Amino acid sequence: NAGVTQTPKFQVLKTGQSMTLQCAQDMNHNSMYWYRQDPGMGLRLIYYSASEGTTDKGEVPNGYNVSRLNKREFSLRLESAAPSQTSVYFCASILTGPSHYGYTFGSGTRLTVV
Amino acid sequence: KQEVTQIPAALSVPEGENLVLNCSFTDSAIYNLQWFRQDPGKGLTSLLLIQSSQREQTSGRLNASLDKSSGRSTLYIAASQPGDSATYLCAVCPSGQGSRLTFGEGTQLTVNP
Repeated sequence: NAGVTQTPKFQVLKTGQSMTLQCAQDMNHNSMYWYRQDPGMGLRLIYYSASEGTTDKGEVPNGYNVSRLNKREFSLRLESAAPSQTSVYFCASILTGPSHYGYTFGSGTRLTVV
Repeated sequence: KQEVTQIPAALSVPEGENLVLNCSFTDSAIYNLQWFRQDPGKGLTSLLLIQSSQREQTSGRLNASLDKSSGRSTLYIAASQPGDSATYLCAVCPSGQGSRLTFGEGTQLTVNP
């Protein structure tokens, strides 16, 4: 099915461990985003990539790095996980142009850091 | 900085009732506004997208309106059903920030049979 695919769906990490969250879209969208969702905080933008080869910081980038591997894939890396990074992470994509079109979201990665 | 507020935070209604969810934003310079639905433990599903030049969008029993000048949007759900129970999120795409979305915290809707 066309859409945004995130892996893994669930993950438990120990403090200090590293991991990469994967995201791929097959809709030929040019822009991709990583958000985190926390109770009482809503969804907040971590990093985004407006086009292949570019990445920019969002609202809460500290502790994260990203890679836009190609047009389809946008990964999020936690180099040294902290309990404050326990959250649900969503990847999204959009086709931008003269008019902005709606977002498509992945189903999320539920990360727990102990 | 754009801020998005959704009222109420939670709403419980009997089946069949018509209801309105509210969303307000502080900066009227937006490209578009989007309403999403989120089921517990799931991702976000796009419901309606209203471009800045539009006043409303409709899909089935859902109708969303946009008043940029007052910084408000409403999502109207007609003849609510238990299957409508979910969290509804409003998000605006501010002008001049690419396509970055600013989200409200959502309204948790429960429709009782």
